[in-house]
Amino acid sequence: SQQGEEDPQALSIQEGENATMNCSYKTSINNLQWYRQNSGRGLVHLILIRSNEREKHSGRLRVTLDTSKKSSSLLITASRAADTASYFCATDAAGGSEKLVFGKGTKLTVNP
Amino acid sequence: DAGVTQSPTHLIKTRGQHVTLRCSPISGHKSVSWYQQVLGQGPQFIFQYYEKEERGRGNFPDRFSARQFPNYSSELNVNALLLGDSALYLCASSPPASSGTQYFGPGTRLTVL
Repeated sequence: SQQGEEDPQALSIQEGENATMNCSYKTSINNLQWYRQNSGRGLVHLILIRSNEREKHSGRLRVTLDTSKKSSSLLITASRAADTASYFCATDAAGGSEKLVFGKGTKLTVNP
Repeated sequence: DAGVTQSPTHLIKTRGQHVTLRCSPISGHKSVSWYQQVLGQGPQFIFQYYEKEERGRGNFPDRFSARQFPNYSSELNVNALLLGDSALYLCASSPPASSGTQYFGPGTRLTVL
């Protein structure tokens, strides 16, 4: 079963705009990760945020985590056509398991 | 450095057949996990192996099995294939003392007719 739910399911924006995707999850976590997937291929790790962190940056990416609301957001600033992909959040349950539980993903389209 | 590799890239089978998918982790990674991704969904965890021992199993029937070899490569076997087994099968590896990040291969696209 899916742990998380991404919102929105699909997002279409123009190049240069910012894209924000949200993720909610159900159980206590060690950390939350965001992955990107191009056209049904393998997933690429983008960023990991630990349960005791509230915000993290990596290049044009900004991730926030609110453990009280069991939610996270991924912001991509100054988007490019090459950012077009599906984005997934993944959590691993507190307790040390390496099993990742993914949401259904947000399909982002960046129009040139 | 080579990433996670998987073979074959694509596979077409018929119902009732069995299939073996292969995965080679990144050099130095001892943990391998398998995920199934049905079209339009996120990946679902099938198995995790570490040092040749099964460390976790998802909610999949006994038709699914896996093993890890001394060189840390892994095989996923699926018996008595069903139409619903059609999916992208992803392998991921992680280093010792991992923070939780997993590194995914390109996947094997399995189609069951």
